[in-house]
Amino acid sequence: DSGVTQTPKHLITATGQRVTLRCSPRSGDLSVYWYQQSLDQGLQFLIHYYNGEERAKGNILERFSAQQFPDLHSELNLSSLELGDSALYFCASSVGSGVASPLHFGNGTRLTVT
Amino acid sequence: AQKVTQAQTEISVVEKEDVTLDCVYETRDTTYYLFWYKQPPSGELVFLIRRNSFDEQNEISGRYSWNFQKSTSSFNFTITASQVVDSAVYFCALSEARNQGGKLIFGQGTELSVKP
Repeated sequence: DSGVTQTPKHLITATGQRVTLRCSPRSGDLSVYWYQQSLDQGLQFLIHYYNGEERAKGNILERFSAQQFPDLHSELNLSSLELGDSALYFCASSVGSGVASPLHFGNGTRLTVT
Repeated sequence: AQKVTQAQTEISVVEKEDVTLDCVYETRDTTYYLFWYKQPPSGELVFLIRRNSFDEQNEISGRYSWNFQKSTSSFNFTITASQVVDSAVYFCALSEARNQGGKLIFGQGTELSVKP
């Protein structure tokens, strides 16, 4: 158990809808990362927050947004969902904000858009 | 450009065989970190090892060993005496110091199947 908690585990929704994925980092970790894993794109970095502030953005669509709250949990909001958004979404956390800290991943949220 | 290549898409071995998973990376940074993660059939990503660019010492942890060679930009992973429980997708990843934060660039993964 990595100590990173993601909810829900599974989400099935229709095109055009909006969903929110939730992540609680490991105790003591200040960084939260979001990754998307799909068959065609593999594991893609979406966004990184450190202690409430956005640190880096990757291949995150404009329809997607995220935030990290004062208690350090994070939410990833996906709107105007399309079939291609179906994927496994991972949250990861680390102690620091730099490259040396290994990321510890949650079990992921599997999103299916129908 | 930063890139991680895992040329082996799938590997199948019989239990107790040794197997090596290849990883080749590209970076212009002199300071970087390399990682291996395991994704078992249950889906979670499990951290296995981190190596920095200044430490080329090979590492052994039980049946697992890693060979880091900067001259060939490779960070290969060997499982000795493989077991069925080793069946998983293994990802190699790169993190560059010049990137703000700890963004990981992942390879496409190698699916290892260990048959009894």
